[in-house]
Amino acid sequence: AQKITQTQPGMFVQEKEAVTLDCTYDTSDPSYGLFWYKQPSSGEMIFLIYQGSYDQQNATEGRYSLNFQKARKSANLVISASQLGDSAMYFCAMREDASGTYKYIFGTGTRLKVLA
Amino acid sequence: DAGVIQSPRHEVTEMGQEVTLRCKPISGHDYLFWYRQTMMRGLELLIYFNNNVPIDDSGMPEDRFSAKMPNASFSTLKIQPSEPRDSAVYFCASRPEGAGANVLTFGAGSRLTVL
Repeated sequence: AQKITQTQPGMFVQEKEAVTLDCTYDTSDPSYGLFWYKQPSSGEMIFLIYQGSYDQQNATEGRYSLNFQKARKSANLVISASQLGDSAMYFCAMREDASGTYKYIFGTGTRLKVLA
Repeated sequence: DAGVIQSPRHEVTEMGQEVTLRCKPISGHDYLFWYRQTMMRGLELLIYFNNNVPIDDSGMPEDRFSAKMPNASFSTLKIQPSEPRDSAVYFCASRPEGAGANVLTFGAGSRLTVL
């Protein structure tokens, strides 16, 4: 079964607009972590934001925020005030802690294109 | 900190040849992960180590793949013999021990092309 699902293969957004990238996850572990990474065309994987399963508040990092809805098992990434440099692949990932394996499982990614 | 260092960055080889990819994790990081990225299969976890010990190798595709971590500062991923379907970008990543965010830090990747 898919542990991490990103249903949007590609997205377009106008520069300076906000965009939401969807991510749903599946786990029975009470303790887990959710991550978003950015992969520009140059290929490196860049960490953006983290949300722990017990965190009460949604995580924010600059223009990035994570809309965490635990009951719905969703962890959507919101990018505010999009910039041309935000054009990249975005990956959602989950780490399950309680099982003790500490494996990081990634979704298939969403390709974001910011339009001038 | 130099980050996670991978070599080579690019490798082109012929089918049947042995390929060795190398990784130096961030100093002090106790976990090391090897991932493979392809268009068809996305980012797949191949194997990960904790304190130089392989913990989970269930993602290793077949016996042609092997990984070692002889010490805390070096790991190798070997493919012998290589096949065209092994063409991919191979990432190494590391993280520290302990609870909390424990973000995976990735290397720049090794792009392998098997002809």
